[in-house]
Amino acid sequence: EVQVVESGGGLVKPGGSLGLSCAASGFTFSSHTMNWVRQAPGKGLEWVSSISSSSTYIYYADSVKGRFTISRDNAKNSLYLQMNSLRAEDTAVYYCARVRFEDGHYIRDDLWGQGTLVTVSS
Amino acid sequence: IQLTQSPSSLSASVGDRVTITCRASQGISSYLAWYQQKPGKAPKLLIYAASTLQSGVPSRFSGSGSGADFTLTISSLQPEDFATYYCQQVNSYPVTFGPGTKVDIK
Repeated sequence: EVQVVESGGGLVKPGGSLGLSCAASGFTFSSHTMNWVRQAPGKGLEWVSSISSSSTYIYYADSVKGRFTISRDNAKNSLYLQMNSLRAEDTAVYYCARVRFEDGHYIRDDLWGQGTLVTVSS
Repeated sequence: IQLTQSPSSLSASVGDRVTITCRASQGISSYLAWYQQKPGKAPKLLIYAASTLQSGVPSRFSGSGSGADFTLTISSLQPEDFATYYCQQVNSYPVTFGPGTKVDIK
């Protein structure tokens, strides 16, 4: 089955750290750019970070730059998000998503996981 | 690039034609996607490249537009279509989403 499954969410205190994982299966993970997208409770979607297939290109939202680190291990078909210096406003469901390109241009996120909840609270 | 959506919410009946608009703060060619999200679920891709229907999505969904103005149309609303809809621009980083349009039952 073609899927991505996130894990690693939980409760963490402000200023703390947490690492998320996304396990991919059923497709050639090493060929795809991957995203992290989050959604705060009752709010809309917010793109967090992208990493290209070979980790050459990495992008972050300004809201997480300097605090979050995206990485991947193609041998393990896994995507990661290391989150440091967490704030209450980082509380959200975090989704990983597969990116599709056409003619060399980002065109859509076509496969999403079910998400993992991160709660930052004292 | 900022995206605005209108309306922010709407009430409609089964069988109604529904149109949602998305406006970008600058031109994004046709690099726009639409997603449907139901409570507690992940977003589902409906339309990409402004007007291309994702495989498996019913043909009652359609998209149009280019440049800065886009629309998502549901030709005949079905019970399973009550959800929140988001547009997303993928023309350039940072990728951005619209604030969403909630479609509920009249």
